Amino acid sequence: KAGVTQTPRYLIKTRGQQVTLSCSPISGHRSVSWYQQTPGQGLQFLFEYFSETQRNKGNFPGRFSGRQFSNSRSEMNVSTLELGDSALYLCASSFFYQGAGTEAFFGQGTRLTVV
Amino acid sequence: GDSVTQMEGPVTLSEEAFLTINCTYTATGYPSLFWYVQYPGEGLQLLLKATKADDKGSNKGFEATYRKETTSFHLEKGSVQVSDSAVYFCALSGVLSSGSARQLTFGSGTQLTVLP
Repeated sequence: KAGVTQTPRYLIKTRGQQVTLSCSPISGHRSVSWYQQTPGQGLQFLFEYFSETQRNKGNFPGRFSGRQFSNSRSEMNVSTLELGDSALYLCASSFFYQGAGTEAFFGQGTRLTVV
Repeated sequence: GDSVTQMEGPVTLSEEAFLTINCTYTATGYPSLFWYVQYPGEGLQLLLKATKADDKGSNKGFEATYRKETTSFHLEKGSVQVSDSAVYFCALSGVLSSGSARQLTFGSGTQLTVLP
C-alpha cells in the first residue's frame, strides 16, 4: 500500500512569509502527527490530529497551526516565518492515537529553508 | 511526564563490530518501547518494538530487551554493516492505566557511522 506522502519535499521561503505543508496519510489511518526536526533540538512534537480534531499540541508558538480534513489528509501552516523555522518537517500517520502503542509511519519530510 | 534518554553520539564503528546504543526511559505504568531508524534524507522507520517487560524485539539482526527493573531498552547488533549507518531513535508510547493514550515520546537520536 502507498506510504505517507508529504509535499513539497523542498521549500525555500523568505522571512516573514507564510507556508503550508501537506501530508497524505496511509489509507485507513486516522491519526496524523507533525514533528519538527533540527540538528540542535532533535525531534520536537508539533501536534496530532485524529478524525479532524486536534488531540495534542506541543510547545510551539501560535504561528504554527494545522488542520485535518475528512479524508484524513493534513496540512500545517507556519505564518510570519523566522530564520529559526528552517527545519525538516515530518508527518507521521497511524491507525489509532500515536501514543497508544501502535506503529507510526513517517513520510520523507519537507525540508523548509527560510532565508 | 514521560521522557527518553539516549546515549550521546556520534558513534563510529568498524564493519563487523558489536553495537550497543543505550536507552533509558521515565514513565508511569507500562509503556510500549520502540526503536526507529532514520537513513540520510529519509523519514523515520520502525526498526523493532516491545510491548511488555522482558519482551525482546528483533529485526534485521538488531535486538532490544524491555527491562522494567532498569527502565532500559538498549539496542544491540552483533556485527554492524556499512549500510547500518543512520540515526537511531528510542521512543515510548502506550495506553495509561486511566485508558488515555500517551504522547509518542522520542529520545534525542544517536548517529551511527560504520566504516568499511
